[in-house]
Amino acid sequence: GQNIDQPTEMTATEGAIVQINCTYQTSGFNGLFWYQQHAGEAPTFLSYNVLDGLEEKGRFSSFLSRSKGYSYLLLKELQMKDSASYLCAVRDSNYQLIWGAGTKLIIKP
Amino acid sequence: IAGITQAPTSQILAAGRRMTLRCTQDMRHNAMYWYRQDLGLGLRLIHYSNTAGTTGKGEVPDGYSVSRANTDDFPLTLASAVPSQTSVYFCASTISAGEGHEQFFGPGTRLTVL
Repeated sequence: GQNIDQPTEMTATEGAIVQINCTYQTSGFNGLFWYQQHAGEAPTFLSYNVLDGLEEKGRFSSFLSRSKGYSYLLLKELQMKDSASYLCAVRDSNYQLIWGAGTKLIIKP
Repeated sequence: IAGITQAPTSQILAAGRRMTLRCTQDMRHNAMYWYRQDLGLGLRLIHYSNTAGTTGKGEVPDGYSVSRANTDDFPLTLASAVPSQTSVYFCASTISAGEGHEQFFGPGTRLTVL
């Protein structure tokens, strides 16, 4: 079966760095996406990885290791507005997205 | 319209009733999707359409139907609603299903079936 695993909840302090991990087992791999979802709102796109390595975009970076079935999202200089759920999704061999349940990130002052 | 819209924003529905959730995008995206999001679960794909005139079944299609008569609209119909269909429904679109483009999401419809 297809499976995406992420921690359910994480807590971090404003100004700090947090790493959210995602492991996956899917039928085929055609890229991995990270989305941010604030409570009561729609998911919004953060990053896309299809090759191994690190993609940096401002305060956010995403890493992929295809051989390990592993990705992480790194958030630096945390701000209160970063409190949200972070969703990991893998595009499978049918080009459909398989979604993890999301990681709720709580930022404390 | 700017982006992707959904209607209604929320709805309370009696079990057994028929309901159509509307989704419209003005980005000329070829591919469109319907997901449901339930607490503790990831987004689950109900139906998708890679291009106007074609549709396909996702992970949880039972009890739902879709049509794609044109590029912009992708309505989702619940033929006879049941309480287990209580959920938040998101419509999404992307330029092309086969390439590395992100999906854009509508604001969602919160549906309660009693």
